Amino acid sequence: AAGVIQSPRHLIKEKRETATLKCYPIPRHDTVYWYQQGPGQDPQFLISFYEKMQSDKGSIPDRFSAQQFSDYHSELNMSSLELGDSALYFCASSLGLPGQGLETQYFGPGTRLLVL
Amino acid sequence: GEDVEQSLFLSVREGDSSVINCTYTDSSSTYLYWYKQEPGAGLQLLTYIFSNMDMKQDQRLTVLLNKKDKHLSLRIADTQTGDSAIYFCAERGNYGQNFVFGPGTRLSVLP
Repeated sequence: AAGVIQSPRHLIKEKRETATLKCYPIPRHDTVYWYQQGPGQDPQFLISFYEKMQSDKGSIPDRFSAQQFSDYHSELNMSSLELGDSALYFCASSLGLPGQGLETQYFGPGTRLLVL
Repeated sequence: GEDVEQSLFLSVREGDSSVINCTYTDSSSTYLYWYKQEPGAGLQLLTYIFSNMDMKQDQRLTVLLNKKDKHLSLRIADTQTGDSAIYFCAERGNYGQNFVFGPGTRLSVLP
């Protein structure tokens, strides 16, 4: 079965550079979530989109922005990168909003970002 | 705010049963999940349980939910070396979409 696809899988950037992470949800899934997992930490929710609109916002820095496109893929744009942004960035997708019973989140393999 | 707690480490012998525990604070939690993360890999959904259930069994996995005590457990029968990983408990309420994860329990399976 098709899973969530993330690209790139690995990325190395220098401080103050920008990075764009991409997420392709499971086909027919309309909701995308972004999480950040620092070394040895649990995943922290950043932001989510439902039907191309931002649906929830967590601990996403102002330097980061994200959007969901008409084909439901999503991109996380990160500017003015800092050393502390080095982490594993997960995208997850689900079908529908809470209460519909379909919102189990399926995670992608993650993009490992290293900021030097 | 919402909080999810787990023991950080668990070590068992191959063939024994593992029990990973999780407590949560959000009484409106509707869905509770267990995810497995192997080294350097993504989060793999193992199983989930709705808050109106007490137990769910799926092959070697048994999930028990005590809603009164806000306690969730994952039992892995006949634990194998391939089960060595970090296991995250996660919850979400009916009104929020994002997950709140616990710190993860690192399961080590000894030969």
